[in-house]
Amino acid sequence: DIRMTQSPSSLSASIGDSVTITCRASQSISTYFNWYQQKPGKAPKVLISGASSLESGVPSRFRGSGSGTDFTLTISSLQPEDFATYYCQQTFSSPITFGQGTRLEIK
Amino acid sequence: QVQLQESGPGLVSPSETLSLTCRVSGGSITAYYWTWIRQTPGKGLEWIGHIHDSGTTNYNPSLKSRVTMSIDTSKNQFSLSLTSVTAADTAVYRCARRLLRWPFYMDVWGEGSTVTVSS
Repeated sequence: DIRMTQSPSSLSASIGDSVTITCRASQSISTYFNWYQQKPGKAPKVLISGASSLESGVPSRFRGSGSGTDFTLTISSLQPEDFATYYCQQTFSSPITFGQGTRLEIK
Repeated sequence: QVQLQESGPGLVSPSETLSLTCRVSGGSITAYYWTWIRQTPGKGLEWIGHIHDSGTTNYNPSLKSRVTMSIDTSKNQFSLSLTSVTAADTAVYRCARRLLRWPFYMDVWGEGSTVTVSS
């Protein structure tokens, strides 16, 4: 299985800050890579697909980059609704696997 | 727009079979991978497997010996069966629609069904 390792596991930030979350794959996955946001009690919602494509309706303050094994999600000018848990996912090979999540909290 | 809704028992006895159904509304069940994912605080998000409308399946090797998925295109729904459950199978189970093309992400999710394994 491809292991997806996110860092940090948790993060505290203030409204207006910029934050970066990283995800590393245990082997190269090209851009078969997606970022999801999950709020308590809700299903994950895709934010970025193919490593860098912003999904329809997702604010432009979210940016994804990377390919191969190293990927980043940057959120600029944090808004109250951005405080959630973020997951990375690889769809390069079966089984599909997810990172352990990064919980973004308000400082 | 397409909506998914899981249904099934919220409590399953150890060694019994967990059965869930996902109803697809607002769209066709064809031309996608229909997926089951579970989530626990300890293990996070775990992909269980998927089924195509052709009936082709792909299961997570860690669960493969206990999982069966089926699809009923006439009823626009698909199902999950997990046998010989233990407390470790306690989780929120969600169904999701996954694209057939790169980058193959899950674009529509159900709300989730909490399943507890306990006597």
